[in-house]
Formats: sequence, structure tokens, C-alpha cells
Amino acid sequence: DVKVTQSSRYLVKRTGEKVFLECVQDMDHENMFWYRQDPGLGLRLIYFSYDVKMKEKGDIPEGYSVSREKKERFSLILESASTNQTSMYLCASSTTSGRFNEQFFGPGTRLTVL
Amino acid sequence: AQKITQTQPGMFVQEKEAVTLDCTYDTSDPSYGLFWYKQPSSGEMIFLIYQGSYDQQNATEGRYSLNFQKARKSANLVISASQLGDSAMYFCAIPSAYGNKLVFGAGTILRVKS
Repeated sequence: DVKVTQSSRYLVKRTGEKVFLECVQDMDHENMFWYRQDPGLGLRLIYFSYDVKMKEKGDIPEGYSVSREKKERFSLILESASTNQTSMYLCASSTTSGRFNEQFFGPGTRLTVL
Repeated sequence: AQKITQTQPGMFVQEKEAVTLDCTYDTSDPSYGLFWYKQPSSGEMIFLIYQGSYDQQNATEGRYSLNFQKARKSANLVISASQLGDSAMYFCAIPSAYGNKLVFGAGTILRVKS
């Protein structure tokens, strides 16, 4: 059974803190993605990676960075958390050789920045 | 750039009845596909159905079917015989022109009434 896991379901941090969100997939997928989800805006892509140590900016990369040192792990980093980064964060993975490149999602992390 | 529009912020349907969730898209790609995902209150995104632009017949997966009308650029999701467990947020998505990214709509909240 395919699996994408995220390190925390709920997280509360203070303004200015450095925040790490971890995502691990066990499907040997080459592509991994970080989205944030806000009411009325759907899912917006922050960063994605198509290979180890490779990363590409998505639509809203400002205030975020990512790291992919191993194929199965993709980390999202908030260098200095701000209240406008309070959101639901979703990680996903996919393979180019899949049925139709469907993305498999983790359970999400609800981050609150106070 | 690819764009997805879901014009129904929320929908109600009576249990056991059918419901149609609207999705219109904009793309300059000659070959593309449309995805539908379900997001229950638990937060995880669940892949429901996919159809490629060159598929001759509308896709079906159990109680889910896609009413795909290329000329109108619409890919509506039809859920037959609604169940209480269908209450969730539903997202339509289209692959981006570059890479394996997905562009999501704002989503539709469906509530099934008993």
C-alpha cells in the first residue's frame, strides 16, 4: 500500500521560529511536492523536487525553502515563521512512470503560527 | 497558464441521490488530463478519477464518473447514489505545462443529508 507520511498532524509555533516540516514516501517516487491549502484558494504549490538535491520553485515560494538529501524525504523549512504562514501543509509524491502521474498525498500538517 | 475554476463553494445533496460538481479548465496544452480528488475532514487527499483529453469515453470509477466536454472545457464529477461518507471537499486539478505539477481549483464542499 502506497504511503506518504508527514512528521506532525498539528504544530504550533511562535513568530520568528525556524520550522521544519518533514515528508517521507515509501514508493520510490522521483517527484515530491509541498502545497499549502487555504480556504477559498485551493492548494497552491510552494516547491517541488524531481530528483535528489534538485528543487524548483512553485507558485508561492517566498518565505520557504526545501531540502531533499534522500529520495524518500522532502523537507519544507520556514526560516522565520510568520502569522501569515498559518495554514494546512500537504506533501505529495508521484512517479513519471505511473498510470497517469497521479499524486499521492500525506495526511497534512496544520501549522499555527502565533 | 493552466487554470481550474470550481464555481460551487458548497453543495447539498440528499442521501441516495446523484450530484454533479462543476469544473471548468483553461489550458493551451494539446494533450492534458483532468483529476478529481476528495478531501475528507481528516485532511488527506484521496485520488478519485482521471481522464485524459484523448480518451474516447468518459471515465468511471465505481459511483464516480467524469462528464468530460472538451468543447466547453468542462470536466464535471458525477457522484451517483450519494452516501453520508461522500461529505467532503472535492478538488479538480490539471497538470501544469511543465514538469509534473498539478494546478488545483478552489474546491467544492459537499454535504450529504440523511
